[in-house]
Amino acid sequence: RKEVEQDPGPFNVPEGATVAFNCTYSNSASQSFFWYRQDCRKEPKLLMSVYSSGNEDGRFTAQLNRASQYISLLIRDSKLSDSATYLCVVNEASGTYKYIFGTGTRLKVLA
Amino acid sequence: GAGVSQSPRYKVAKRGQDVALRCDPISGHVSLFWYQQALGQGPEFLTYFQNEAQLDKSGLPSDRFFAERPEGSVSTLKIQRTQQEDSAVYLCASSPQGVAVPDTQYFGPGTRLTVL
Repeated sequence: RKEVEQDPGPFNVPEGATVAFNCTYSNSASQSFFWYRQDCRKEPKLLMSVYSSGNEDGRFTAQLNRASQYISLLIRDSKLSDSATYLCVVNEASGTYKYIFGTGTRLKVLA
Repeated sequence: GAGVSQSPRYKVAKRGQDVALRCDPISGHVSLFWYQQALGQGPEFLTYFQNEAQLDKSGLPSDRFFAERPEGSVSTLKIQRTQQEDSAVYLCASSPQGVAVPDTQYFGPGTRLTVL
C-alpha cells in the first residue's frame, strides 16, 4: 500500500459545481497535512494546511479524519481557474521534515 | 521578493554524461529539499539540508546522485553517468524553519532533465 493515496482522476466538473477529493495516508504517526496545487508544467504551491479541527479558506474547505487516516478537500462554486492537479502531502512522522506527496488528483472545470 | 530559482530550466543529456542542477533558495531559508517528479506522479523526496548539513539523503536513487549545499544557501544536485530512467523534473524547495517545524515549502520552477 502506498504511503499517501489519491484518486488520480480526472474529475471533470461544470463551473459552479462542488467537488471533493479524498486522500488516505498509511502512517498513523503523521502529524502535518497539506494540500498543494500544481498547474500543468509548473511547480507545486501551497493551497492550505489541514488542521485537526478542519479549516476553510474562501471556497476551499479541508478536513482531517485521524481515525480513518484520511484528509479531504472540498471546493465549492468551482471556477475555470481551479483546473489543476491537487497534491495531498503528509509528513512521514511527527517532528520530521520528510514530506510524502500523493500522485495528485487532476481537476478540470468545464465552461 | 525573489522566490526559489533553479537552473538550467531544461537539460538534455546523452546517456553517460554528468549533469549539475543548481538551486537558489529564498534568502535566509534554513531548509532546502530536492525532489524528483516523474510524469504523472507526485514529487518524490530525494534529500534534505538544514543550512549546510545534509541531514537526510535516503531518497537518492543511487550513488550516482550527489547533493551539496556548502555555504548553507545555494545547492547543487549532481547526477553522474546519467541513465534514461533519470529523466524527470527535479524540483528544489526551501522553507524558513529547520527540522521539526511543519512549514510551507516554496518550490522552484524545476529543471526538466531528458536523458537520450
